[in-house]
Amino acid sequence: AQTVTQSQPEMSVQEAETVTLSCTYDTSESNYYLFWYKQPPSRQMILVIRQEAYKQQNATENRFSVNFQKAAKSFSLKISDSQLGDTAMYFCAYSLLDSNYQLIWGAGTKLIIKP
Amino acid sequence: GAGVSQSPSNKVTEKGKDVELRCDPISGHTALYWYRQRLGQGLEFLIYFQGNSAPDKSGLPSDRFSAERTGESVSTLTIQRTQQEDSAVYLCASSSYRGLSYEQYFGPGTRLTVT
Repeated sequence: AQTVTQSQPEMSVQEAETVTLSCTYDTSESNYYLFWYKQPPSRQMILVIRQEAYKQQNATENRFSVNFQKAAKSFSLKISDSQLGDTAMYFCAYSLLDSNYQLIWGAGTKLIIKP
Repeated sequence: GAGVSQSPSNKVTEKGKDVELRCDPISGHTALYWYRQRLGQGLEFLIYFQGNSAPDKSGLPSDRFSAERTGESVSTLTIQRTQQEDSAVYLCASSSYRGLSYEQYFGPGTRLTVT
């Protein structure tokens, strides 16, 4: 079965600290995309960062970066200089190129940034 | 429009009643997805539309669930004879073209409560 596991149901850090959210997935395919989405209390799902599996270089978007370990099927998200607005649910997901780009989702990690 | 919109924002219905949820995708987006998000969980794929192709209904949980989309415009998700386990947030997402853009843009969701 294709699954995504986020082992941290909840995390909290002080503002300006760095936090890493973990994600592991299970697929036998070699071509896929990986995503981190953020869902604040407004419910709006927002794409944070994405990674193509064929790329070895880790994706970076400003304060957000990933550590992609393809052999280990691991895709962690690092948030640097965390801000109060980063408080949200964070979901890891992947999609296969030959499955209508359906997203397979993890259960999410609730991240709380404390002032 | 500027983004994906969904209506209603919240819906409370009695067990056994039918409900209809609406999604307006981003103009020009050929692909449209419906997901269900139960409280504290990740997203479950329900159905996928791509242009005029036959929809992928593999995620629909029962024959009480159905969805329609006319061309590349509005989609409606219908749940007949609602049950309490149908209570969830229903999210709609659209993307421009599966071969060129795999990013899904999400609407704010409809929170369905079945009493």
